[in-house]
Amino acid sequence: GAGVSQSPSNKVTEKGKDVELRCDPISGHTALYWYRQRLGQGLEFLIYFQGNSAPDKSGLPSDRFSAERTGESVSTLTIQRTQQEDSAVYLCASSPHGGGYGEQYFGPGTRLTVT
Amino acid sequence: DAKTTQPTSMDCAEGRAANLPCNHSTISGNEYVYWYRQIHSQGPQYIIHGLKNNETNEMASLIITEDRKSSTLILPHATLRDTAVYYCIVRVLTGANNLFFGTGTRLTVIP
Repeated sequence: GAGVSQSPSNKVTEKGKDVELRCDPISGHTALYWYRQRLGQGLEFLIYFQGNSAPDKSGLPSDRFSAERTGESVSTLTIQRTQQEDSAVYLCASSPHGGGYGEQYFGPGTRLTVT
Repeated sequence: DAKTTQPTSMDCAEGRAANLPCNHSTISGNEYVYWYRQIHSQGPQYIIHGLKNNETNEMASLIITEDRKSSTLILPHATLRDTAVYYCIVRVLTGANNLFFGTGTRLTVIP
């Protein structure tokens, strides 16, 4: 079946511009996660959605970052006034189980480069 | 989450079994062992997880020692496409909203 998809696959933007990243989770997966991975580094948790519950935003690094999810479908991660330190691969994952379950399925990521 | 220790790198001949060890001596009773891998320039891929019994799926087998202080991920017939960094993670089943990847083991499958 179809896996998690993300778009765009690559995004180059100028410092100060806003960007919007999209994630389509696996159909039926109730949980959705956003992570950031800098070059050669591990995963940095950003935000977690579970059904209609309030999202866990504890990983968002600043108020320039926000995310939305419509029901149990598409999610968008928005970064306003991008900075060079925002350059990274942004990964989306979905899980068939809620409650912060450890079995997560990742998309290919969006590589963001801020010039 | 408990800390894990893995070798930095390993080589395996194509077609042979790849055995990737992981030490997690401080694992708690309610913590599971998860394995993920990340192939270059791709997102992480879930492989398998277990609590105390050995587990097997279409990708791999997970052998957990009786004292649960270490485990081994086994890829029974390694292929070139299995070349990746393999991460052993110890965490609770639910309730933790993130995955912490350590440095992992870089497995290179050699033709």
